[in-house]
Amino acid sequence: QSALTQTASVSGAPGQSITLSCTGTSSDIGGHNYVSWYQQHPNKAPKLLIYDVNNRPSGISNRFSGSKSGNTASLTISGIQDEDEADYYCSSYMSSRTVVFGGGTKLTVL
Amino acid sequence: HLQLQESGPGLVKPSETLSLTCTVSGGSISNSRYYWGWVRQPPEKGLEWIGSIYYSGTHSGNAYFNPSLKSRGTTSVDTSRNQFSLKLTSVTAADTAVYYCARHEYLYYFDDWGQGTLVTVSS
Repeated sequence: QSALTQTASVSGAPGQSITLSCTGTSSDIGGHNYVSWYQQHPNKAPKLLIYDVNNRPSGISNRFSGSKSGNTASLTISGIQDEDEADYYCSSYMSSRTVVFGGGTKLTVL
Repeated sequence: HLQLQESGPGLVKPSETLSLTCTVSGGSISNSRYYWGWVRQPPEKGLEWIGSIYYSGTHSGNAYFNPSLKSRGTTSVDTSRNQFSLKLTSVTAADTAVYYCARHEYLYYFDDWGQGTLVTVSS
């Protein structure tokens, strides 16, 4: 199974809104509404930000939102802050009852 | 508040078997709503799902694995200790990574993670 495709890096100034993309296929993102997003700070465990395409777990800021169109999922961070500088990974359930992650996007806050 | 903690050797020799255990506290591993999974991250690289297992009542239930690791991996549940385990055979340097255990909502998303443990494969 191939990893989902994410842009390697993205940057933005504080207060800006940015959108991270995650592209898969009809066997993963396009075929199921089970896309999740994780934030990972250096030397820390990943943290769930979004599940089932657009749901936020309790305690996650509403600055984070998710969406999906066809085989591409997106994570939008509104009003980015210094603490948002981290790596972001998307993941999707696959038809074969497996799970695939994206390669990750490094967000730099300028 | 659910907590997960990985444990196991930090150094494994090539061709040997990597064995890790995840101890769960603050919740029961017997909760039939959840799978229990393993994810790894090689140094400076991205996340890779290894496999996840579901406890089905009287014994370790269905387990699903990354196809690229299926031939070398097994996972099991020990409800008496509230633990689940991973074994990966015939390891090589490519298996060097931080290994995370996590609670898996079916196979849809990981909602709680351990802190991770670094396993280095080297002679």
